[in-house]
Amino acid sequence: DIQLTQSPSFLSASVGDRVTITCRASQGIAIYLAWYQQKPGKAPKLLIYAASTLQSGVPSRFSGSGSGTGFTLTISSLQPEDFATYYCQQLHDYPWTFGQGTKVEIK
Amino acid sequence: EVQLLESGGGLVQPGGSLRLSCAASGSTFSPSFSPYAMNWVRQAPGEGLDWVSAISGSGASTYYADSVKGRFTISRDNSKNMLYLQMNSLRVEDTAVYYCTKMFAGASSYHGMDIWGQGTTVTVSS
Repeated sequence: DIQLTQSPSFLSASVGDRVTITCRASQGIAIYLAWYQQKPGKAPKLLIYAASTLQSGVPSRFSGSGSGTGFTLTISSLQPEDFATYYCQQLHDYPWTFGQGTKVEIK
Repeated sequence: EVQLLESGGGLVQPGGSLRLSCAASGSTFSPSFSPYAMNWVRQAPGEGLDWVSAISGSGASTYYADSVKGRFTISRDNSKNMLYLQMNSLRVEDTAVYYCTKMFAGASSYHGMDIWGQGTTVTVSS
């Protein structure tokens, strides 16, 4: 199975900060990576797919990059509604796997 | 408009069974549910996301996480726009919110899960 490791697991930041979350795959997955945002008590929301393509309706302050084994999710200017937990997911091989999550909290 | 609505969760003893259902509705699934691969994803209390199972649009292909293989069965009824998860031999570690999700596909690959239900809670406890 492909393991995904996110870092950091927890991040404290202020409104307006630039935030970067990393996802590392245990083997190459080309660009078959998605990012999700989950707020407490809610279902996850797809933010980015194919490593860098913004899902329709997602604000442009979110961006993704990477290929192979290393990927990043960047929020260019953190907004109050962005405080949430973020997950990466690989869609290269079954079983689909998720990273352990990165919780972004208000400093 | 409601897109995916799960039901069937509840409290069950270890070793017991439950059948989860997911009803697909709305413009995305009109006029047909069958083009879309579907999944079940779960989240244990305070934990991260855990993919459980997937099924192709026709239902001919199914996939399972090792942790549920041989115990859970995914199925669908395209005539009713319904997805199911039959869960047998339940364990305490199966306790979670179970989400039904729609697969978002490109020309030659899957992109992610673009529609999620609100989840149904399964508690396995004696």
